[in-house]
Amino acid sequence: SQTIHQWPATLVQPVGSPLSLECTVEGTSNPNLYWYRQAAGRGLQLLFYSVGIGQISSEVPQNLSASRPQDRQFILSSKKLLLSDSGFYLCACRGQSPYGYTFGSGTRLTVV
Amino acid sequence: EDKVVQSPLSLVVHEGDTVTLNCSYEVTNFRSLLWYKQEKKAPTFLFMLTSSGIEKKSGRLSSILDKKELFSILNITATQTGDSAIYLCAVEEYAGNMLTFGGGTRLMVKP
Repeated sequence: SQTIHQWPATLVQPVGSPLSLECTVEGTSNPNLYWYRQAAGRGLQLLFYSVGIGQISSEVPQNLSASRPQDRQFILSSKKLLLSDSGFYLCACRGQSPYGYTFGSGTRLTVV
Repeated sequence: EDKVVQSPLSLVVHEGDTVTLNCSYEVTNFRSLLWYKQEKKAPTFLFMLTSSGIEKKSGRLSSILDKKELFSILNITATQTGDSAIYLCAVEEYAGNMLTFGGGTRLMVKP
């Protein structure tokens, strides 16, 4: 079965600092990969998705970027964090799971 | 414009009560509707619905989809404090290969 490893679990970063969140997938090949952000107590907003290596689609314009250097690796980055970047970030995968999607355990980012 | 709308936003009930959570959607090429339960971290899968009128059950939870009226409900009977969570509804379209989530319903079950 497919598994997602996402790290770090929590992160506190100052405004203006860079960001790199990583997500790797096991148990499937050529998955669709996604980055979602969740504001406190709310639903998930899709930020980026990728259907293959080097292929990134952005759903909302923002201060963040994503890259997919390998088939099962998805990275979320920022050159300079803003206060509004705080939130809960989830990586997800749509591969061969019969239930459609698998989620990572999430990263809680606080920008101070 | 929101494609997936959940109601109510939040709900407080007592143990033993029955609750109904609602999810309405408006998408072009509907593929499936999924329900998730989220406690502290990653959402956990509850149900995937693709056909109208077929109820899916798992213990005290059940869900049904109405593709004509474009909505789904999630029922929880005999609620327990462990049911306290955010319940997320998401819709997948054939085009785009992605899930669009509703805003979630925060359920609190009091002892």
